[in-house]
Amino acid sequence: AQKVTQAQTEISVVEKEDVTLDCVYETRDTTYYLFWYKQPPSGELVFLIRRNSFDEQNEISGRYSWNFQKSTSSFNFTITASQVVDSAVYFCALRKGGSEKLVFGKGTKLTVNP
Amino acid sequence: GAVVSQHPSWVICKSGTSVKIECRSLDFQATTMFWYRQFPKQSLMLMATSNEGSKATYEQGVEKDKFLINHASLTLSTLTVTSAHPEDSSFYICSARRTGGTGGEQYFGPGTRLTVT
Repeated sequence: AQKVTQAQTEISVVEKEDVTLDCVYETRDTTYYLFWYKQPPSGELVFLIRRNSFDEQNEISGRYSWNFQKSTSSFNFTITASQVVDSAVYFCALRKGGSEKLVFGKGTKLTVNP
Repeated sequence: GAVVSQHPSWVICKSGTSVKIECRSLDFQATTMFWYRQFPKQSLMLMATSNEGSKATYEQGVEKDKFLINHASLTLSTLTVTSAHPEDSSFYICSARRTGGTGGEQYFGPGTRLTVT
């Protein structure tokens, strides 16, 4: 069975601080995909990134970066120089290869204060 | 782009009535759509997988007679909450997977907030 754990329920930072959101996953499959989604107060989920299990390269997109480590089954998300607009709930999700089903973590609510 | 819309964005209904929520993929065809439910401050829980032209596949614990799903075309899936009760109040989110796409990207709609009084 697949499981995603986001141990941080809520994080509060001050603008311009860096913040890392943790995601630990469990799966017995060798082929799987990991995702991060952002859910602002409006409710709509915004896709941020997808990584497959064979690609452990870290990725950077502007102020966002992701650290995928199979050795620790983690897929952490870092926001550099956070901004108030980054305030949202962030979900990490897992999908095994050949399946349509996304398994979500419980989410981390990030509040960036001015 | 890959835009998914939902209608209505919010609805208030009386207990015992039925409510239909539409999910449309606006600029792509979606063989498969998904319906999720999200309670306040909680994660998304998959309710069912909707396949165009066939019966939906429901997750364990989801009442198929209460949550009727119809996927009549490649761009439209509907969720009908029958005989709604206050405990059905929730945020319902649909997603769609592009037909023929790789990687299984799901594009999410903006959600529908249902309040049953």
